[in-house]
Amino acid sequence: DAKTTQPPSMDCAEGRAANLPCNHSTISGNEYVYWYRQIHSQGPQYIIHGLKNNETNEMASLIITEDRKSSTLILPHATLRDTAVYYCIVRPPPWGAGSYQLTFGKGTKLSVIP
Amino acid sequence: EAGVVQSPRYKIIEKKQPVAFWCNPISGHNTLYWYRQNLGQGPELLIRYENEEAVDDSQLPKDRFSAERLKGVDSTLKIQPAELGDSAVYLCASGDTLRSGNTIYFGEGSWLTVV
Repeated sequence: DAKTTQPPSMDCAEGRAANLPCNHSTISGNEYVYWYRQIHSQGPQYIIHGLKNNETNEMASLIITEDRKSSTLILPHATLRDTAVYYCIVRPPPWGAGSYQLTFGKGTKLSVIP
Repeated sequence: EAGVVQSPRYKIIEKKQPVAFWCNPISGHNTLYWYRQNLGQGPELLIRYENEEAVDDSQLPKDRFSAERLKGVDSTLKIQPAELGDSAVYLCASGDTLRSGNTIYFGEGSWLTVV
Protein backbone atom coordinates (compact mmCIF):
# COMPACT_ATOMS: atom_id res chain seq x y z
CA ASP A 1 0.00 0.00 0.00
CA ALA A 2 1.13 3.55 -0.69
CA LYS A 3 2.53 5.38 2.28
CA THR A 4 0.94 8.59 3.56
CA THR A 5 2.52 11.55 5.33
CA GLN A 6 0.53 13.77 7.68
CA PRO A 7 1.56 16.53 10.09
CA PRO A 8 1.60 15.18 13.65
CA SER A 9 -0.62 17.93 15.03
CA MET A 10 -2.72 20.95 14.09
CA ASP A 11 -4.84 23.54 15.87
CA CYS A 12 -8.05 25.09 14.60
CA ALA A 13 -10.28 27.77 16.09
CA GLU A 14 -13.84 26.71 16.84
CA GLY A 15 -16.21 27.67 14.02
CA ARG A 16 -13.45 27.96 11.45
CA ALA A 17 -12.67 25.49 8.68
CA ALA A 18 -10.13 22.81 9.52
CA ASN A 19 -7.96 21.79 6.57
CA LEU A 20 -6.00 18.59 7.15
CA PRO A 21 -3.35 17.78 4.54
CA CYS A 22 -2.08 14.39 3.47
CA ASN A 23 0.72 13.49 1.07
CA HIS A 24 0.55 10.19 -0.82
CA SER A 25 3.04 10.68 -3.64
CA THR A 26 3.39 6.94 -4.40
CA ILE A 27 -0.33 6.31 -4.80
CA SER A 28 -1.30 4.00 -7.66
CA GLY A 29 -3.90 4.87 -10.24
CA ASN A 30 -6.59 2.63 -8.78
CA GLU A 31 -5.95 3.23 -5.09
CA TYR A 32 -8.49 5.13 -3.02
CA VAL A 33 -7.91 7.76 -0.33
CA TYR A 34 -9.80 7.10 2.91
CA TRP A 35 -10.12 9.28 5.98
CA TYR A 36 -10.95 8.08 9.46
CA ARG A 37 -10.88 9.87 12.77
CA GLN A 38 -10.52 8.63 16.32
CA ILE A 39 -11.93 10.59 19.19
CA HIS A 40 -10.33 9.86 22.54
CA SER A 41 -11.43 6.53 24.04
CA GLN A 42 -13.42 5.58 20.94
CA GLY A 43 -12.82 3.37 17.91
CA PRO A 44 -11.90 4.86 14.52
CA GLN A 45 -14.83 6.47 12.72
CA TYR A 46 -15.16 6.48 8.93
CA ILE A 47 -15.39 9.98 7.46
CA ILE A 48 -15.10 9.93 3.69
CA HIS A 49 -13.22 8.38 0.77
CA GLY A 50 -12.47 9.21 -2.87
CA LEU A 51 -10.57 8.15 -5.96
CA LYS A 52 -10.10 11.13 -8.26
CA ASN A 53 -12.98 13.52 -7.88
CA ASN A 54 -13.64 15.74 -4.91
CA GLU A 55 -16.17 14.30 -2.51
CA THR A 56 -18.52 15.81 0.06
CA ASN A 57 -20.79 14.31 2.66
CA GLU A 58 -22.48 15.49 5.83
CA MET A 59 -19.25 15.28 7.80
CA ALA A 60 -16.56 16.68 5.53
CA SER A 61 -15.20 17.42 2.08
CA LEU A 62 -12.28 15.66 0.43
CA ILE A 63 -10.16 17.51 -2.09
CA ILE A 64 -7.76 15.38 -4.15
CA THR A 65 -5.16 17.10 -6.34
CA GLU A 66 -5.21 16.42 -10.05
CA ASP A 67 -2.01 14.37 -9.88
CA ARG A 68 -3.48 12.52 -6.86
CA LYS A 69 -0.26 12.90 -4.91
CA SER A 70 -1.94 14.75 -2.08
CA SER A 71 -5.33 15.44 -0.59
CA THR A 72 -6.99 17.68 1.96
CA LEU A 73 -9.80 16.84 4.35
CA ILE A 74 -11.94 19.86 5.12
CA LEU A 75 -14.20 20.19 8.16
CA PRO A 76 -16.15 23.32 7.20
CA HIS A 77 -17.08 24.54 10.67
CA ALA A 78 -14.99 22.82 13.31
CA THR A 79 -16.50 22.23 16.74
CA LEU A 80 -14.91 21.09 19.99
CA ARG A 81 -16.27 17.60 19.27
CA ASP A 82 -14.08 17.42 16.17
CA THR A 83 -10.97 17.23 18.37
CA ALA A 84 -9.51 13.85 17.40
CA VAL A 85 -6.71 12.05 15.58
CA TYR A 86 -7.36 12.04 11.84
CA TYR A 87 -5.96 9.24 9.70
CA CYS A 88 -5.38 9.44 5.97
CA ILE A 89 -5.17 5.97 4.41
CA VAL A 90 -4.47 4.81 0.87
CA ARG A 91 -6.24 1.59 0.03
CA PRO A 92 -6.44 -0.69 -3.00
CA PRO A 93 -9.80 -0.87 -4.79
CA PRO A 94 -12.37 -3.42 -3.54
CA TRP A 95 -11.39 -5.89 -6.23
CA GLY A 96 -7.66 -5.66 -5.56
CA ALA A 97 -5.35 -7.74 -3.42
CA GLY A 98 -4.98 -6.26 0.03
CA SER A 99 -8.16 -4.26 -0.35
CA TYR A 100 -9.79 -5.83 2.64
CA GLN A 101 -7.72 -4.06 5.25
CA LEU A 102 -6.69 -0.62 6.34
CA THR A 103 -3.08 0.27 7.17
CA PHE A 104 -2.99 3.11 9.67
CA GLY A 105 -0.15 5.57 10.23
CA LYS A 106 0.10 7.90 13.22
CA GLY A 107 -2.34 10.45 11.85
CA THR A 108 -2.80 14.13 12.69
CA LYS A 109 -3.98 15.17 16.10
CA LEU A 110 -6.43 18.03 15.53
CA SER A 111 -7.16 20.26 18.49
CA VAL A 112 -10.17 22.56 18.12
CA ILE A 113 -9.69 25.56 20.37
CA PRO A 114 -12.59 27.60 21.85
CA GLU B 1 -28.69 0.09 12.33
CA ALA B 2 -26.59 -1.08 15.27
CA GLY B 3 -22.85 -0.67 14.97
CA VAL B 4 -20.06 -3.06 15.86
CA VAL B 5 -20.48 -4.12 19.49
CA GLN B 6 -17.57 -5.15 21.67
CA SER B 7 -17.23 -6.33 25.23
CA PRO B 8 -15.84 -5.90 27.77
CA ARG B 9 -15.10 -2.23 27.38
CA TYR B 10 -12.34 -2.32 29.98
CA LYS B 11 -10.38 -5.17 31.52
CA ILE B 12 -7.56 -5.24 34.05
CA ILE B 13 -5.81 -8.56 34.64
CA GLU B 14 -2.61 -9.83 36.15
CA LYS B 15 0.10 -11.15 33.87
CA LYS B 16 -0.13 -14.83 33.02
CA GLN B 17 -3.91 -14.74 33.34
CA PRO B 18 -6.19 -15.43 30.36
CA VAL B 19 -8.53 -12.85 28.84
CA ALA B 20 -11.17 -12.95 26.12
CA PHE B 21 -12.84 -10.25 24.04
CA TRP B 22 -16.12 -10.60 22.21
CA CYS B 23 -17.33 -8.88 19.06
CA ASN B 24 -20.69 -8.70 17.31
CA PRO B 25 -20.29 -7.18 13.83
CA ILE B 26 -22.81 -5.13 11.90
CA SER B 27 -25.61 -7.38 10.72
CA GLY B 28 -24.89 -8.92 7.35
CA HIS B 29 -21.22 -7.98 7.25
CA ASN B 30 -19.23 -11.00 6.13
CA THR B 31 -15.77 -9.58 6.84
CA LEU B 32 -14.60 -9.23 10.43
CA TYR B 33 -11.30 -7.81 11.67
CA TRP B 34 -9.41 -7.69 14.92
CA TYR B 35 -6.94 -4.84 15.33
CA ARG B 36 -4.62 -3.95 18.19
CA GLN B 37 -3.77 -0.35 19.02
CA ASN B 38 -0.87 0.55 21.28
CA LEU B 39 -0.77 3.92 23.01
CA GLY B 40 0.04 6.72 20.59
CA GLN B 41 0.01 4.44 17.55
CA GLY B 42 -2.47 3.65 14.81
CA PRO B 43 -4.36 0.34 14.86
CA GLU B 44 -2.58 -2.73 13.47
CA LEU B 45 -4.34 -5.72 11.96
CA LEU B 46 -4.21 -8.98 13.89
CA ILE B 47 -6.61 -11.17 11.92
CA ARG B 48 -9.25 -10.95 9.21
CA TYR B 49 -12.19 -13.29 8.70
CA GLU B 50 -14.27 -13.85 5.60
CA ASN B 51 -17.40 -15.46 7.04
CA GLU B 52 -16.02 -18.14 9.38
CA GLU B 53 -12.67 -18.53 7.64
CA ALA B 54 -9.55 -16.75 8.90
CA VAL B 55 -8.04 -15.55 5.62
CA ASP B 56 -5.25 -13.38 7.04
CA ASP B 57 -3.76 -14.17 10.45
CA SER B 58 -0.15 -13.44 9.60
CA GLN B 59 0.13 -10.76 12.30
CA LEU B 60 -1.52 -12.78 15.06
CA PRO B 61 1.00 -13.98 17.70
CA LYS B 62 -0.12 -17.57 17.60
CA ASP B 63 1.78 -18.72 20.66
CA ARG B 64 -0.60 -16.92 22.98
CA PHE B 65 -3.36 -15.40 20.85
CA SER B 66 -6.29 -17.27 19.34
CA ALA B 67 -9.47 -16.22 17.63
CA GLU B 68 -12.61 -17.83 16.36
CA ARG B 69 -15.69 -16.81 14.46
CA LEU B 70 -18.24 -19.55 14.82
CA LYS B 71 -21.14 -19.51 12.34
CA GLY B 72 -19.58 -16.52 10.62
CA VAL B 73 -21.15 -13.92 12.90
CA ASP B 74 -19.78 -13.20 16.39
CA SER B 75 -16.09 -13.51 17.12
CA THR B 76 -13.90 -14.04 20.17
CA LEU B 77 -10.26 -13.06 20.60
CA LYS B 78 -8.37 -14.78 23.40
CA ILE B 79 -4.99 -14.18 24.99
CA GLN B 80 -3.49 -16.89 27.18
CA PRO B 81 -1.33 -16.21 29.05
CA ALA B 82 -1.32 -12.42 28.96
CA GLU B 83 1.96 -10.51 29.16
CA LEU B 84 2.63 -6.93 30.23
CA GLY B 85 3.24 -5.95 26.58
CA ASP B 86 -0.28 -7.00 25.65
CA SER B 87 -1.70 -3.88 27.28
CA ALA B 88 -3.47 -2.14 24.41
CA VAL B 89 -6.86 -1.43 22.88
CA TYR B 90 -8.31 -4.35 20.93
CA LEU B 91 -10.58 -3.15 18.15
CA CYS B 92 -13.09 -5.18 16.22
CA ALA B 93 -14.29 -4.01 12.82
CA SER B 94 -16.56 -5.29 10.08
CA GLY B 95 -17.23 -4.63 6.43
CA ASP B 96 -19.13 -5.90 3.41
CA THR B 97 -18.15 -5.30 -0.19
CA LEU B 98 -21.63 -5.39 -1.61
CA ARG B 99 -23.58 -3.30 0.87
CA SER B 100 -21.11 -0.72 2.12
CA GLY B 101 -18.62 -0.46 -0.73
CA ASN B 102 -16.14 -2.29 1.45
CA THR B 103 -16.07 0.53 3.98
CA ILE B 104 -14.84 -0.81 7.31
CA TYR B 105 -16.62 0.15 10.52
CA PHE B 106 -15.06 -0.11 13.97
CA GLY B 107 -16.37 -0.85 17.41
CA GLU B 108 -15.52 1.18 20.51
CA GLY B 109 -12.68 -1.15 21.47
CA SER B 110 -11.76 -3.23 24.49
CA TRP B 111 -9.11 -1.60 26.69
CA LEU B 112 -6.77 -4.15 28.25
CA THR B 113 -4.37 -3.40 31.07
CA VAL B 114 -2.03 -6.18 32.18
CA VAL B 115 -0.41 -5.60 35.57
